[in-house]
This record gives sequence, structure tokens and C-alpha cells, in this order.
Amino acid sequence: DAGVIQSPRHEVTEMGQEVTLRCKPISGHDYLFWYRQTMMRGLELLIYFNNNVPIDDSGMPEDRFSAKMPNASFSTLKIQPSEPRDSAVYFCASSLRQGYNEQFFGPGTRLTVL
Amino acid sequence: GQQVMQIPQYQHVQEGEDFTTYCNSSTTLSNIQWYKQRPGGHPVFLIQLVKSGEVKKQKRLTFQFGEAKKNSSLHITATQTTDVGTYFCAGEAGGTSYGKLTFGQGTILTVHP
Repeated sequence: DAGVIQSPRHEVTEMGQEVTLRCKPISGHDYLFWYRQTMMRGLELLIYFNNNVPIDDSGMPEDRFSAKMPNASFSTLKIQPSEPRDSAVYFCASSLRQGYNEQFFGPGTRLTVL
Repeated sequence: GQQVMQIPQYQHVQEGEDFTTYCNSSTTLSNIQWYKQRPGGHPVFLIQLVKSGEVKKQKRLTFQFGEAKKNSSLHITATQTTDVGTYFCAGEAGGTSYGKLTFGQGTILTVHP
């Protein structure tokens, strides 16, 4: 298996632009997680899905952030409009199912908002 | 909400010295996981502890879960330069929060040859 796939790996954009981050979880995994990592706040859970349904989005910082999972093999995290304080590394992770909750992380997307 | 505190934030050791990082949760956990992140990389799962008082070993790494299931530790014996990275604990409360991990701030380990 190729593991969790994220794109793009790097994104540089200007304040106010829309940013879309993409994730393909490991095939057969029921859970998908979006995290944000910064030096100041560490690794924060933004939202997670079970069988494509959002379970907990309490970590989503504000209405500018939205996430979707239209099917079992694809998820997006969108920021509109982006702000400089959104600059971070965004990780997607997936896990198999209940009782097998080791999380497999993707390589991350490094986002820079100028 | 649930908080997971991890200390120390940084640890510098000479190769061959031992290293320990500690993790404390504000609430009782269903299980605790440990991850390692190499510089520039992504977190990689090391181990999961589930039972009260559980101790697990992986070569030079020893993981412990406290009796109250609120604290945990990772100990590395005789560090090597390949141990460099950030070590995170991550606690799962369980119940309706199944699958949701709260990560500690991590301990950044540097090893001087």
C-alpha cells in the first residue's frame, strides 16, 4: 500500500486566497483525521471522520475552515479566505477501525500564507 | 477539555546516555499511544498501551502506563544518533470520543555523538 497520500506537499499563497488540501487515506481504513502542526500550538486535531461522516469538528479554528469526505478514498480541507496565521504543516492520518486505532500519517502539506 | 502535558520540552544527551520523557493526562485514558517524528518528517506510531500498569519494551525503548491510566513514560537506554526526533504521547479518552487522540506537546531529543 502507498500509505496516506497528501497533496500538494507545499503550498505558498497570498492572504485572502482559497486553499484546498487533499488527502487519500489508506484503502480500507474507516477513520480519517486532519491535524495542524505549529511550533506554538503543537499537533492539534482539527476534525475527524468515521466512514465518511464527520464525528468531531470541535478543533476547527473558525468558519474559514471546512472539511469534506465525499467518499472513502478522498478528503479535502479548505481554508477560505486564508490568513498568515494559518501557516502550518497540515497532516492527514487514517486508522483502520475500532480496536485497531494506530494512526498512519501522511507526509503533510506545508502551507505558507504571505 | 482533555489535556495532555508532556515534559521535558527539550532534552540534549550525549550518545550512550539514557533518556526519559513523561506524559500526564488531565483525565483517565482508555489507552495511550506513542509516536516519533523525525526532523522534517511525519509522526510514526511506536506503540499503544491499554492496561493499567502495563510495561512494554521495544529493544532499547521501554514504555509504561500508570496504574491510574493518567500518566505514561518512555525511556530509551543508551541513546544513539538514530534516536533523534520528537517523541509524542497521545491519549484517547474512549467512549464517545473513540478514535480521537489528544497529543502532548512532544519532547525534542537531540543526541550528540
